[in-house]
Amino acid sequence: GNSVTQMEGPVTLSEEAFLTINCTYTATGYPSLFWYVQYPGEGLQLLLKATKADDKGSNKGFEATYRKETTSFHLEKGSVQVSDSAVYFCALSGQGAQKLVFGQGTRLTINP
Amino acid sequence: EAGVVQSPRYKIIEKKQPVAFWCNPISGHNTLYWYRQNLGQGPELLIRYENEEAVDDSQLPKDRFSAERLKGVDSTLKIQPAELGDSAVYLCASSHGQGKETQYFGPGTRLLVL
Repeated sequence: GNSVTQMEGPVTLSEEAFLTINCTYTATGYPSLFWYVQYPGEGLQLLLKATKADDKGSNKGFEATYRKETTSFHLEKGSVQVSDSAVYFCALSGQGAQKLVFGQGTRLTINP
Repeated sequence: EAGVVQSPRYKIIEKKQPVAFWCNPISGHNTLYWYRQNLGQGPELLIRYENEEAVDDSQLPKDRFSAERLKGVDSTLKIQPAELGDSAVYLCASSHGQGKETQYFGPGTRLLVL
């Protein structure tokens, strides 16, 4: 079945550091890929998505590129801020299916 | 536009008691989802509705869990009786249509079973 594996956390960085959170997936066909973010005390929010190979999703300075050859969708940001502290979830929606399959989440803490 | 609304936000009950969670999706969204998120894990789908029809309930523990979506709008998820292992966050999400539409999540109901 479909699955998502995320880089284990927690991850702690200083403000303005470069961020990478790794995500790899297993799926048949051509899934859609997502990054969701969960700020403290809030619900999951869609951060970005990509629906086909080589697409790049971007939002709020975050980027992720759909790499079918490596089955990856790594999240990157060039300069993180304290306000980026949250839990980040990588997820996929299988071809023809609407169910989201999530990774286990990566807790990110940014120190000033 | 209002987002997905869930209530209550928190619930503490003793084991063997019943509990119910309510969800109001974004207006016009015909697809509604219930997910369960265990501590330190990603959410897992319990049930998906297309309008008032449950089209995927394969992960719903039907011996104690039930759900309904009368009139294809609001939905209720019930557990009876609750067990200690049911402690989790229960998330409701909605999307506009079929296919790969973005799912929008509510804030969740955090359940603690003592």
